[in-house]
Amino acid sequence: DTAVSQTPKYLVTQMGNDKSIKCEQNLGHDTMYWYKQDSKKFLKIMFSYNNKELIINETVPNRFSPKSPDKAHLNLHINSLELGDSAVYFCASSQAGSFTEAFFGQGTRLTVV
Amino acid sequence: KNQVEQSPQSLIILEGKNCTLQCNYTVSPFSNLRWYKQDTGRGPVSLTIMTFSENTKSNGRYTATLDADTKQSSLHITASQLSDSASYICVVSARAAGNKLTFGGGTRVLVKP
Repeated sequence: DTAVSQTPKYLVTQMGNDKSIKCEQNLGHDTMYWYKQDSKKFLKIMFSYNNKELIINETVPNRFSPKSPDKAHLNLHINSLELGDSAVYFCASSQAGSFTEAFFGQGTRLTVV
Repeated sequence: KNQVEQSPQSLIILEGKNCTLQCNYTVSPFSNLRWYKQDTGRGPVSLTIMTFSENTKSNGRYTATLDADTKQSSLHITASQLSDSASYICVVSARAAGNKLTFGGGTRVLVKP
C-alpha cells in the first residue's frame, strides 16, 4: 500500500543511452512532481504536473521529458544520458493548495558511467 | 533569488540529549515553511508545516519555531533517539503558481549511543 512508488530504485547505464523512471501515487492527489537531489543533497524541482497539465518546468535540459498519462502517474524519460545526470531523482505528489503536505517516493539513484 | 540556508551542516549528539537546527530563508512571497526528515536512502517525510501566523508547532519530540519577521526557523529535537539519525531539511513554499518549494541543503544529524 505504498503511497508514492518509483521504479527502478537503482539505475546504472552508459552515457548516451535513453532511460525512463516511472512514478505512481495511490493517494488520489492531483499534483505530481519530479525533483533532483544532487551530490550536495539539495533537492531541486524539475517539473510539476497538475491533473496531467504541466505547471512548473524549471531550467531542465530538453533531454528530460515528463509524461503524465493520468493524474496518478508521472514518468520521467531521459534521452542521451550524460555523466552530470547522475543523481537521485524523487517523485512526489500532493493535493493542490498552499498548505498541503507533499509525499515523496523512495527515490531512484541514477548512475551514468 | 529564493534561498534556504541551514546550519549546522552536520552535528553529532549523544542519545538522550537535545539539539536545535537552524534555517534562514529569503523566499518571497512567503506561504509556509516545512521541516522534513530524510533517512538515508529514503524520500523526505514531512514533520511540520507552518504558516506565517504560526510561531511554533510540535510533532512528538520535534518542535519547530518560526519567526516570519526575521525569516528564521528552528527545529528542536528533544531527548534524541538513535532513530533520529537522518538529514533534516527546511523547505519554504512561495505563494506562486504550483506552490514551488525551495529546499535547504539539510542538516545531517548523527545520534550516538
